[in-house]
Amino acid sequence: GESVGLHLPTLSVQEGDNSIINCAYSNSASDYFIWYKQESGKGPQFIIDIRSNMDKRQGQRVTVLLNKTVKHLSLQIAATQPGDSAVYFCAETSGYSTLTFGKGTMLLVSP
Amino acid sequence: DVKVTQSSRYLVKRTGEKVFLECVQDMDHENMFWYRQDPGLGLRLIYFSYDVKMKEKGDIPEGYSVSREKKERFSLILESASTNQTSMYLCASRLSGQYNSPLHFGNGTRLTVT
Repeated sequence: GESVGLHLPTLSVQEGDNSIINCAYSNSASDYFIWYKQESGKGPQFIIDIRSNMDKRQGQRVTVLLNKTVKHLSLQIAATQPGDSAVYFCAETSGYSTLTFGKGTMLLVSP
Repeated sequence: DVKVTQSSRYLVKRTGEKVFLECVQDMDHENMFWYRQDPGLGLRLIYFSYDVKMKEKGDIPEGYSVSREKKERFSLILESASTNQTSMYLCASRLSGQYNSPLHFGNGTRLTVT
């Protein structure tokens, strides 16, 4: 079956840097994408989503970019803080299907 | 805010035991889901339910069953626990009828089967 994957399993940044977490998806029919953050010992927490009729969406300190041509999704975190250290997952779906999750990228933020 | 509550954070059970994992959500969501999360494998869907009394198999339903007698509660049942069912189990819910809406997760139950 088609699945969502991540390019980098671990990303280490310094506090204050901007972070970029990438995700490739293979289902060209996917039309809804979500980023989740999972801190140690907790369940995944919704960060931001984007529909396929958009190529960019911004939240508080986060931006999601969608490139449908190359089936690529990215999460940008501005001015990364130690509290941003977590595992980040992308997920995708089409229609009313269930979500397909990537395996996650660990973001490590050093003070 | 949506709250999804899983009754146990940690469970230790013996091989062959019947295990119940409970999940309750407080936002009147129709859709509920059970995932397991394992290192290197990510989140895998076990079962889901579109509404009360309804259930659908996910990607890895073998060895599991579910119960959805009330809208707010979705139970995952391991009929005879085995060591390969040691995992983190995550429950999630979503409002039905919203074509594009995120899942809301609980904090997980870490199950160890010895």
